[in-house]
Amino acid sequence: DQQVKQNSPSLSVQEGRISILNCDYTNSMFDYFLWYKKYPAEGPTFLISISSIKDKNEDGRFTVFLNKSAKHLSLHIVPSQPGDSAVYFCAASDGLDSNYQLIWGAGTKLIIKP
Amino acid sequence: DAGVTQSPTHLIKTRGQHVTLRCSPISGHKSVSWYQQVLGQGPQFIFQYYEKEERGRGNFPDRFSARQFPNYSSELNVNALLLGDSALYLCASSLDDRDLNTEAFFGQGTRLTVV
Repeated sequence: DQQVKQNSPSLSVQEGRISILNCDYTNSMFDYFLWYKKYPAEGPTFLISISSIKDKNEDGRFTVFLNKSAKHLSLHIVPSQPGDSAVYFCAASDGLDSNYQLIWGAGTKLIIKP
Repeated sequence: DAGVTQSPTHLIKTRGQHVTLRCSPISGHKSVSWYQQVLGQGPQFIFQYYEKEERGRGNFPDRFSARQFPNYSSELNVNALLLGDSALYLCASSLDDRDLNTEAFFGQGTRLTVV
């Protein structure tokens, strides 16, 4: 039972254009969402997060949008750069109820073409 | 400052054997979590420790156990290894129990192969 789904295993985007990575969830109790980025042979690195009381959070080139009614969030990267090529994981938590455990999606491999 | 360090980086074990994986958190971090990442999937939560106490356990069999030491380092033990235990095992550390899994810092992982 996948509570967090990233339906696109991979995504290829031209350098300088916008990258949009999508994530869907099924548990309406999730109240905190995070995006992590992972390079080969390294552990995941925290990128950006959003609380369920917001619908948008921005940090430089990275923006996360949350649509609670659709149980959908997306990560926008603009402009995309070659160093953004990595696997991106969406993760969710329902906070204290689950002792802040994170439920992770399967990841989307982003390839930025020069 | 050193990040989260895990040892060993790679390990090959035979079915039925036992394995111990080690993790040293970032200096000053008191919380350690363990994750299993099978190829093609996202990390799956195994354990969480804070101040040497277990704070959370994922849906893993009793063959999996862990502990945290007074210096906040941690060990993950897996008994009676199965082929399905082959995975990347990730350790993450965070400052305290208010951000146990949010903005956690991950090590590079231990790649375990069971043959």
